[in-house]
Amino acid sequence: EVQLVESGGGLVQPGGSLRFSCAASGFTFSNYWMSWVRQAPGKGLEWVASINQDGSEKYYVDSVKGRFTISRDNAKNSLYLQMNIVRGEDTAVYYCARRSLVAGFDYWGQGTLVTVSS
Amino acid sequence: DIVMTQSPDSLAVSLGERATIICKSSQSVLYSSNNKNYLAWYQQKPGQPPKLLFYWASIRESGVPDRFSGSGSGTDFTLTISSLQAEDVAVYYCQQYYSTPQTFGQGTKVEIK
Repeated sequence: EVQLVESGGGLVQPGGSLRFSCAASGFTFSNYWMSWVRQAPGKGLEWVASINQDGSEKYYVDSVKGRFTISRDNAKNSLYLQMNIVRGEDTAVYYCARRSLVAGFDYWGQGTLVTVSS
Repeated sequence: DIVMTQSPDSLAVSLGERATIICKSSQSVLYSSNNKNYLAWYQQKPGQPPKLLFYWASIRESGVPDRFSGSGSGTDFTLTISSLQAEDVAVYYCQQYYSTPQTFGQGTKVEIK
């Protein structure tokens, strides 16, 4: 069974940093593109970042470029998001999502809540 | 960036009736070299992550009931629930993956009338 389990979210002050992770199981992690998608409270979905199978390609939404870094460790079946210089508008549930081999995000984690507040 | 606009923002439909959601993209998401529309639909129930319903605009993901259908091409797309069931209450999102950044519509909330 495919599982994606996020951990490490929490409260962070504006301007601060936070790193959280997604543990993958039930599939060959190294075969898939992976992404982070966020959802602010009561709002819609926003794609944040994607990384290819070996980590050599990374893409970001403009609002996080230079502040967030997506990475992965295929030996540990884990995906990461390093958030720096966080802002209030970064407050959201962050979902780890697998891009299917065909198209679309076919598996999602339950999400981890990141709250940026002083 | 490609802007995805859904309509309506919400709709209330009687059980067993048809629900139709429109998604329009600010530019075509049809890739001419393979004639595929880079458009997906997701369903998100309260307190849950999104679930993939369709990709390539009309290809149903495994396990999705056939009362759901996706159609359209270019810039205009439709998600139809032919006979609304209670378990279909959710917010539905379209998403383009034609270009980066991938973008989602604002969502359409479907409720029971």
